[in-house]
Amino acid sequence: DAGVIQSPRHEVTEMGQEVTLRCKPISGHDYLFWYRQTMMRGLELLIYFNNNVPIDDSGMPEDRFSAKMPNASFSTLKIQPSEPRDSAVYFCASSTRPGASYGYTFGSGTRLTVV
Amino acid sequence: AQSVSQHNHHVILSEAASLELGCNYSYGGTVNLFWYVQYPGQHLQLLLKYFSGDPLVKGIKGFEAEFIKSKFSFNLRKPSVQWSDTAEYFCAVIPSYGQNFVFGPGTRLSVLP
Repeated sequence: DAGVIQSPRHEVTEMGQEVTLRCKPISGHDYLFWYRQTMMRGLELLIYFNNNVPIDDSGMPEDRFSAKMPNASFSTLKIQPSEPRDSAVYFCASSTRPGASYGYTFGSGTRLTVV
Repeated sequence: AQSVSQHNHHVILSEAASLELGCNYSYGGTVNLFWYVQYPGQHLQLLLKYFSGDPLVKGIKGFEAEFIKSKFSFNLRKPSVQWSDTAEYFCAVIPSYGQNFVFGPGTRLSVLP
């Protein structure tokens, strides 16, 4: 089992550019979560999907952020245009039944730096 | 709304000292409780979890946690810490039939050699 795979591991971009983060969940997991981690705000849930359908996107900071899950094995988080305050580590996590005992499996994260 | 608080922002200990990290949550129903650990530069990994049964649960690397329902607490303990335990520790709560976690703000543990 390869775990949750995120790419890229690091991204440095200039303000105003579009950034796309990618996530491949564990096969068979039907929940996928996107989190943002910063020193100031800790772990924030941005959005989560169940069976490829967005269930709760109330954590998405603003219209510059969008997420898609076109199929069970792939999700993207896009920021357009990017701003320096978007600099953070973005984690993707997947699960079967989060409310049960399984918990989440996290990816290694994408460290985004917007200059 | 659910919330999770962790008592300490940063804990500094010497090797072999005992550790207890506090976690309290607010939620009226049945919950499942987790502790995650994040080593420097790495992603979150599951340390231990509680969902029913014995309120004292044992996890990896000698960690354990006790669920005290009356206090809405799920404190993490380790009798003797090692330098390699230096990491950030997150308590997380999810309703038993819920779909997403609420994470605490994290406690940074620094263990001095």
